[in-house]
Amino acid sequence: GAVVSQHPSRVICKSGTSVKIECRSLDFQATTMFWYRQFPKQSLMLMATSNEGSKATYEQGVEKDKFLINHASLTLSTLTVTSAHPEDSSFYICSAWDRGLGNTIYFGEGSWLTVV
Amino acid sequence: SQQGEEDPQALSIQEGENATMNCSYKTSINNLQWYRQNSGRGLVHLILIRSNEREKHSGRLRVTLDTSKKSSSLLITASRAADTASYFCATPWGQNFVFGPGTRLSVLP
Repeated sequence: GAVVSQHPSRVICKSGTSVKIECRSLDFQATTMFWYRQFPKQSLMLMATSNEGSKATYEQGVEKDKFLINHASLTLSTLTVTSAHPEDSSFYICSAWDRGLGNTIYFGEGSWLTVV
Repeated sequence: SQQGEEDPQALSIQEGENATMNCSYKTSINNLQWYRQNSGRGLVHLILIRSNEREKHSGRLRVTLDTSKKSSSLLITASRAADTASYFCATPWGQNFVFGPGTRLSVLP
């Protein structure tokens, strides 16, 4: 079945540095990928919609200059957390929509970001 | 908002018992999906039920949909400790889905 790979699964970085998280669709082309943020014991919060070859669409309240999203190919989207602060520590999950498989979205395993 | 809402928020049962989780939503939908998330992991798609379907089965899972009440239920029969996870319903919203707050299920051995 369709698989979405997310890397790294865990990352610790210092305040002020930038961190890049990759999301890859392994066996299908994903024209649309989604980035979510999840706090402990809470649901997923959509951050942005990433469309291949165009700018990402950010949800209200999400700073596009802080959370840079690039979807340069049909199989890869990246989320870069710039100038990270401890409050950016969270679980980040990507998902990809394979239109060829209907209305189902496949999720990556998530990335734990800890900013110290 | 369109956000689905699950209840209960947390459910603790003994192995072998059945677990029922409910989801409510606010506007008309074409389909509703249920996902499972193990602690600290990504989401796994469980089942999709379309608006013209009332009930759907997949292994030990049974999902119902009542469009008149704008609600859905997920039943896990003969639960196992490995079923311990959070369960989310998701409803379409544009080209994406909106997730409810989830039900945290604990199955005790």
